Amino acid sequence: SAVISQKPSRDICQRGTSLTIQCQVDSQVTMMFWYRQQPGQSLTLIATANQGSEATYESGFVIDKFPISRPNLTFSTLTVSNMSPEDSSIYLCSVESFGGEQYFGPGTRLTVT
Amino acid sequence: GNSVTQMEGPVTLSEEAFLTINCTYTATGYPSLFWYVQYPGEGLQLLLKATKADDKGSNKGFEATYRKETTSFHLEKGSVQVSDSAVYFCALTSPGDYGQNFVFGPGTRLSVLP
Repeated sequence: SAVISQKPSRDICQRGTSLTIQCQVDSQVTMMFWYRQQPGQSLTLIATANQGSEATYESGFVIDKFPISRPNLTFSTLTVSNMSPEDSSIYLCSVESFGGEQYFGPGTRLTVT
Repeated sequence: GNSVTQMEGPVTLSEEAFLTINCTYTATGYPSLFWYVQYPGEGLQLLLKATKADDKGSNKGFEATYRKETTSFHLEKGSVQVSDSAVYFCALTSPGDYGQNFVFGPGTRLSVLP
């Protein structure tokens, strides 16, 4: 199994600022993903974090707004840039292990005021 | 593209009642199907899964059977408890160019009353 930790677990930020969320896995994994869960909504895939290359973004999400890094097989960051209240969501890191199992992190609850 | 449809919530039941949460999907190829649960204030937890037609996933008294002919994966439990109160998400994955990523349904909130 893979145990995922995210930092911070929650934050309250001001409009116009940026927040970087970290995702750390306790074992090497093949794939890492970032999801958003807006209040009362389901999860939406933001992007796939690729090691050593640019992330692959889903329709409606762009690198300037959500820059992602993945320097190795156990760590990734998601930055939410120039935040607005509409960015208030839970952001979840997800991974796929080499055994093909999928795991979700506990999420980062972001509130933008 | 792939999609998942779930019954609208919230669902309110009395303890020991029978639970069904409907889930249907649209997908190309042969997806894997999942039910995830999100308890209040917590992250997503895998409840059960099925990877091929006619497979039955089960866990904690919950069951769901992968029905390819009806493209469904309905979640059932014979006797719910107050501790089952949570949001339940049906989801699927299909192999893609960038590995397996999930498509989630909108979630169904379940409240179980004592």
